[in-house]
Amino acid sequence: DAGVTQSPTHLIKTRGQQVTLRCSPISGHKSVSWYQQVLGQGPQFIFQYYEKEERGRGNFPDRFSARQFPNYSSELNVNALLLGDSALYLCATRNAEGDTQYFGPGTRLTVL
Amino acid sequence: QKEVEQDPGPLSVPEGAIVSLNCTYSNSAFQYFMWYRQYSRKGPELLMYTYSSGNKEDGRFTAQVDKSSKYISLFIRDSQPSDSATYLCAMSANVGAGSYQLTFGKGTKLSVIP
Repeated sequence: DAGVTQSPTHLIKTRGQQVTLRCSPISGHKSVSWYQQVLGQGPQFIFQYYEKEERGRGNFPDRFSARQFPNYSSELNVNALLLGDSALYLCATRNAEGDTQYFGPGTRLTVL
Repeated sequence: QKEVEQDPGPLSVPEGAIVSLNCTYSNSAFQYFMWYRQYSRKGPELLMYTYSSGNKEDGRFTAQVDKSSKYISLFIRDSQPSDSATYLCAMSANVGAGSYQLTFGKGTKLSVIP
């Protein structure tokens, strides 16, 4: 089975712009979570979606939003980009209760 | 105080050494504990997953959890240069399908010298 896939791999934006990141889960996984990992830090939870509903939100501003589609893929949107949004954005998916999360390779976002 | 504390290192050991990586946590609601390995500029890869106090072994890796002390460890035996990576501890209060989020430590950067 293919693992979690994310696109694009790298992205360069300027301050004030908007960005959309995409994630395709492992087949059969219905839960998708997004994490932000700033250089030198551990990943920080942004959102979790399960069965297309938001089930958890971390301590991030409203500039961050996400959604999950009927095929369980997901998009993360960030508006009005700031320099501090530069990070590796990770998508993680899981199957059901008792299972843990499996991470994708991430999208590296650079804001200039 | 951060919920999860992890010494960022860096930690440098000779090939063949036993490596000990540790995390402490303050939230007693955490019940599920994981160790991830992350190579440079890649996504985290799950190494170990446990939910009870005690030891869990998988090959050269042993995960240890002490809930009474709020302390978890990962031991790597016979360390190899390919083990050089950043090791992240992660914890969750529940594994219900409806709500699940991991809280991570900062990660410990390990280098195994041939």
